[in-house]
Amino acid sequence: QTVVTQEPSFSVSPGGTVTLTCGFNSGSVSPNYYPSWYRQTPGQPPRTLMYSTNTRSSGVPDRFSGSILGNKAALTITGAQADDESDYYCMLYMGSGTWVFGGGTKLTVL
Amino acid sequence: HLHLQESGPGLVKPSETLSLTCTVSGGSISTTNYYWGWIRQPPGKGLEWIGSVHYSGSTYYNPSLKSRVTISVDTSENQFSLKLRSVTAADTAVYYCARLGVEVPAAPYYSDCWGQGTLVTVSS
Repeated sequence: QTVVTQEPSFSVSPGGTVTLTCGFNSGSVSPNYYPSWYRQTPGQPPRTLMYSTNTRSSGVPDRFSGSILGNKAALTITGAQADDESDYYCMLYMGSGTWVFGGGTKLTVL
Repeated sequence: HLHLQESGPGLVKPSETLSLTCTVSGGSISTTNYYWGWIRQPPGKGLEWIGSVHYSGSTYYNPSLKSRVTISVDTSENQFSLKLRSVTAADTAVYYCARLGVEVPAAPYYSDCWGQGTLVTVSS
């Protein structure tokens, strides 16, 4: 069974930089999995941040960037702000019309 | 502006069938380069992709749920639906419908529009 791994939690100082990652329990994440990233605040649906590894969704500031780092997809937030505090999820396309989500990372800004 | 809205019972008894409908407005469900999907989130937990349907009727399911799930599409009503059979308390979750792109480069394999979600509780 495919398991997509994310850090359960992360903390960053205001103005700091943080990189969240998205990996496989077996194998490497590559652009062929079209990694996408979503943020979610309590009581709200997820909001799309990034797709196709490094393409920002409309309205997403350039403080957010996506990449492949080693064998994982990565979401980097620079100049962290208080309202970046959210849950962040990656999603990978596994082919044949199927997708898998990572377990999510709870980001704290303090 | 595309809008997705989930509807259906908020309470389902154990062993019964959960049924939800997603109504698409502001755009047509009959587009080649999109699938229409269901995603759920148990309270306090992460997101789980349940499955997707294309307007042609092709369906794709999470292997872990495949034996209990049916997703169908009604192009005349611009809706798609989820049925989850033999539910238990573990199926209690917020259920989201979403649009998923399936064409590179126009709509490359991500969700660009979500419904607000609906909480379904499984309890007697």
